[in-house]
Amino acid sequence: EVQLVESGGGLVKPGGSLRLSCAASGFTFSNAWMSWVRQAPGKGLEWVGRIKSKTDGGTTDYAAPVKGRFTISRDDSKNTLYLQMNSLKTEDTAVYYCTPTRGDGDAFDIWGQGTMVTVSS
Amino acid sequence: SYVLTQPPSVSVAPGKTARITCGGNNIGSKSVHWYQQKPGQAPVLVIYYDSDRPSGIPERFSGSNSGNTATLTISRVEAGDEADYYCQVWDSSSDPVVFGGGTKLTVL
Repeated sequence: EVQLVESGGGLVKPGGSLRLSCAASGFTFSNAWMSWVRQAPGKGLEWVGRIKSKTDGGTTDYAAPVKGRFTISRDDSKNTLYLQMNSLKTEDTAVYYCTPTRGDGDAFDIWGQGTMVTVSS
Repeated sequence: SYVLTQPPSVSVAPGKTARITCGGNNIGSKSVHWYQQKPGQAPVLVIYYDSDRPSGIPERFSGSNSGNTATLTISRVEAGDEADYYCQVWDSSSDPVVFGGGTKLTVL
């Protein structure tokens, strides 16, 4: 069974840091390009960033609002994706989802249940 | 950056046809994916590459894309179709992934 399980969310003060994890199973994680997508309370979906598979270079891209503050990494030996979030702002408050694709252009056909991040003083 | 525009809400009576549009500059030249999201749940892919349906998605769901508008059509709408729907494309200009603002489908 294909499964994605996000974890690591919680309450953090503005300016703080948090690391999210996404444990994948049921598919060849090492071949997947992995994205993070977030959804602020009552708002729409917002793409956060993406990491390519190592065979495709392992490079990352980020949305403008998080560029320079967030870092995506992966550990293919653990089938796990990470999102390191630094210098958090209140507007980063959202549910964070991880989702794989086979490459750019592909649809997000598998989603985890998400993990909630609340940035508040 | 590329912008996708969806109507905030669409209402339809049960058994009728709902059409949810997604506007974008020359969107017909891009591939559009559609997601359904019910309250408290993760999004679910309902249409990919403009008009393909994943397994398990009813044939009542269909999609089209031409010119400046992509459309998600839900035929014979049921109460269980009530949800938020998002269109999405990949774009080479700035942020690679763009989502529309979402449309809340209300079944009257």
